[in-house]
Amino acid sequence: DTEVTQTPKHLVMGMTNKKSLKCEQHMGHRAMYWYKQKAKKPPELMFVYSYEKLSINESVPSRFSPECPNSSLLNLHLHALQPEDSALYLCASSQEPLDTGELFFGEGSRLTVL
Amino acid sequence: AQSVSQHNHHVILSEAASLELGCNYSYGGTVNLFWYVQYPGQHLQLLLKYFSGDPLVKGIKGFEAEFIKSKFSFNLRKPSVQWSDTAEYFCAVRGNNRLAFGKGNQVVVIP
Repeated sequence: DTEVTQTPKHLVMGMTNKKSLKCEQHMGHRAMYWYKQKAKKPPELMFVYSYEKLSINESVPSRFSPECPNSSLLNLHLHALQPEDSALYLCASSQEPLDTGELFFGEGSRLTVL
Repeated sequence: AQSVSQHNHHVILSEAASLELGCNYSYGGTVNLFWYVQYPGQHLQLLLKYFSGDPLVKGIKGFEAEFIKSKFSFNLRKPSVQWSDTAEYFCAVRGNNRLAFGKGNQVVVIP
């Protein structure tokens, strides 16, 4: 079983809706990540949080807004999305931001934008 | 920035056949290399990783990978595949706090 928990597993939203994706890990990891994965494509990095501070934003549109309330939680707030934003959104964590360790991935939240 | 290339995106083979997936990377710094697997409907899981030391790395489920620095390669191998190895396999390189993935290999093992 994955130790990174993501909710909801599935989300359908309209282009005018506001919704949030949530991610939680209890491994004491200090780096957390959001990736986006389209069908038949590799995961693409969106954001990196290091010690609860945003350290990397890969030029993601402002309709995606990340938040890290504490070291165990990571949210992704969604507003005014487009149909092309439909994808699997993956959360991951690693022990330290700049270490060489692996990333642990959650099962993902599958988002459909109508 | 780092980049990863994987070829032969679709691989179909029979049970007991040998599997080799190629991975080439480019990165100017010290590399940390990974192979992740994504079984149908499941999350990404680590197969194996290389940081330093012995360039032949053994992972879970009988997989191994060889780091060849001169060729910038980190190829994945399994001598005899099983139906349960049907999955998508991603090579990844970590650097500058980013983990970049290759495009993946879709492997289908026919019973």
